[in-house]
Parts: sequence; structure tokens; C-alpha cells
Amino acid sequence: RKEVEQDPGPFNVPEGATVAFNCTYSNSASQSFFWYRQDCRKEPKLLMSVYSSGNEDGRFTAQLNRASQYISLLIRDSKLSDSATYLCVVNVRRDDKIIFGKGTRLHILP
Amino acid sequence: DTAVSQTPKYLVTQMGNDKSIKCEQNLGHDTMYWYKQDSKKFLKIMFSYNNKELIINETVPNRFSPKSPDKAHLNLHINSLELGDSAVYFCASSPTFNRGRDGYTFGSGTRLTVV
Repeated sequence: RKEVEQDPGPFNVPEGATVAFNCTYSNSASQSFFWYRQDCRKEPKLLMSVYSSGNEDGRFTAQLNRASQYISLLIRDSKLSDSATYLCVVNVRRDDKIIFGKGTRLHILP
Repeated sequence: DTAVSQTPKYLVTQMGNDKSIKCEQNLGHDTMYWYKQDSKKFLKIMFSYNNKELIINETVPNRFSPKSPDKAHLNLHINSLELGDSAVYFCASSPTFNRGRDGYTFGSGTRLTVV
């Protein structure tokens, strides 16, 4: 099983819709979790950290489920500008390694 | 006032050449990284330096040699370039070697093409 797995997509979603995607991780010692956004031919940028209790930032909500070892990202009222690749990032406590998922491509359709 | 800057942005070179990529951060961060993103978009860590000290050295050919003259700079030298080295190389920094709690700030990347 890969250390961090994401559905590569693409997710084609009409503007204004709600979209959610998950990321699973294999190492139960994983400690910190993040969602990054990467636009085409650009660098990844931190979108939000994921806290145990779940957290929200505007239209974005992140959840962590330690029992099932996945994190999720929910985007409400999606905008055309949300089109990007969303990278799940996991830190493994044991060796302080940061592992990036391969990303989920999201296309918001007008 | 760019936070993490890499040069060059594009690099096209022939097989067998030696090349360097430079990275500088003005954020006052202690830790810097080199990541490689291949054609399949998989982002993988190569090296990490904390206050000029090598912390992470993943399984990378020894043709790749990082150098950190001070904590604000982390350069990457590549000897005897091969076709498979073609990728985008991202420099990143974080405040401390803090298990990523504060996230990373990435540079804009160096797109290396070996022909």
C-alpha cells in the first residue's frame, strides 16, 4: 500500500457545486496533515493544515479521520479559480519525513 | 521581496554536463529542502538541511550534491546529467525542522530538461 494515496481525478465539477476528495495514508504514526494546491506549471502552495477536530477556512473544510486513516477536503460553492491539483501531505513522526500524495486534479466548469 | 527564489527558472542542457541550481530564502527559516517533481507530477524529497546541517538524504544518486553555505542558501549541483534527471526541481523552506507543522514555502521551481 502506498504511503499516501489520492484519486488522481480529474474531477470535473460545475461552478457553484460542492466537491470533496479524500486522501488515505498508511502509516499510523503520521502526525501532521496538510492540503496544498498546485496550479499548472507552478509551485505547490499551502492551502490549509488539517487538525484533529477538523477545521474550516472560508469555503474550504478539512477533516481528519485517524481511525480510518484518511483526510478529506470539501470545497463549497466552487469557483473557476479553484481549478488546480490538490496535494495531500502527511508527516510521519518516526523519521520526520514529509510525504506528498500525487494529487487530485480538479476542473471547475463554467 | 520574493520569499524563496530559485535560479535558473529553466535549464536545458546536454547529457553528461554538470549544472547547478541555486536557492535563497529571505524568510529567516532554519530549514531548506530540495524536491523533485517528475513527469508524473510525483513530488519527492531529495535533501533537507537544518541550519546548514544535512538532515535528510533520500536515495538519490551521488551525482547530486547539495551545498548550504549558510541557512539562507541551499544549492544543488548535478554531475554527469542523464535524461532521467529531466524534471522540475523545487526548493522549499520551513521555519524549523518541525515535522512540517508550519508547512513549506516553495520556490517557483527550476524546469530541467536534459537532451
